[in-house]
Amino acid sequence: DTGVSQDPRHKITKRGQNVTFRCDPISEHNRLYWYRQTLGQGPEFLTYFQNEAQLEKSRLLSDRFSAERPKGSFSTLEIQRTEQGDSAMYLCASSQLAGGERDTQYFGPGTRLTVL
Amino acid sequence: AQSVTQLDSHVSVSEGTPVLLRCNYSSSYSPSLFWYVQHPNKGLQLLLKYTSAATLVKGINGFEAEFKKSETSFHLTKPSAHMSDAAEYFCVVSGTALIFGKGTTLSVSS
Repeated sequence: DTGVSQDPRHKITKRGQNVTFRCDPISEHNRLYWYRQTLGQGPEFLTYFQNEAQLEKSRLLSDRFSAERPKGSFSTLEIQRTEQGDSAMYLCASSQLAGGERDTQYFGPGTRLTVL
Repeated sequence: AQSVTQLDSHVSVSEGTPVLLRCNYSSSYSPSLFWYVQHPNKGLQLLLKYTSAATLVKGINGFEAEFKKSETSFHLTKPSAHMSDAAEYFCVVSGTALIFGKGTTLSVSS
């Protein structure tokens, strides 16, 4: 079990540029989640996948944001035309939904985005 | 709708003294509740979780939490604080996704 990994760990970009982040979940986990955490706040849910299907998106996920999980393994989160308000830590988590048991989410180290 | 409220934004204790981090929840059904810890420049780590089994839940590093339905509380405690416990702590309720509180910063002085 190598844990959830995210790449890159840090990204600095200029306003208006596009950025893409990658998340590799724990290998047997079928659920993958994206969260955003701004300074001094708790993480906020953005979207989640079960296998390759994107099942829910938060209203925080504007048109400029898109997420994919093409083969039900890794996921990418793309932000187009970045704005300074997009500066945050982007966290990925994964879990294994098993029967009726509530799944436990395991988090990656996050990607810190700074938009200049 | 589900939510959690962490009652203290900052708690300061001395090393070796007890820790109490307070959390109240709101849920229309029997909730799953968690405490996560976040050390500076590190990822979120699960401390413990409550899923309707025993109301007193033991976690890692000597932490425990008690689910009290009558008080809608899930406070986190530790008998004796250690310097390495200094971190940000989040109380979390689970819906489809996790709903985090705003966090409590724990400071531990020697």
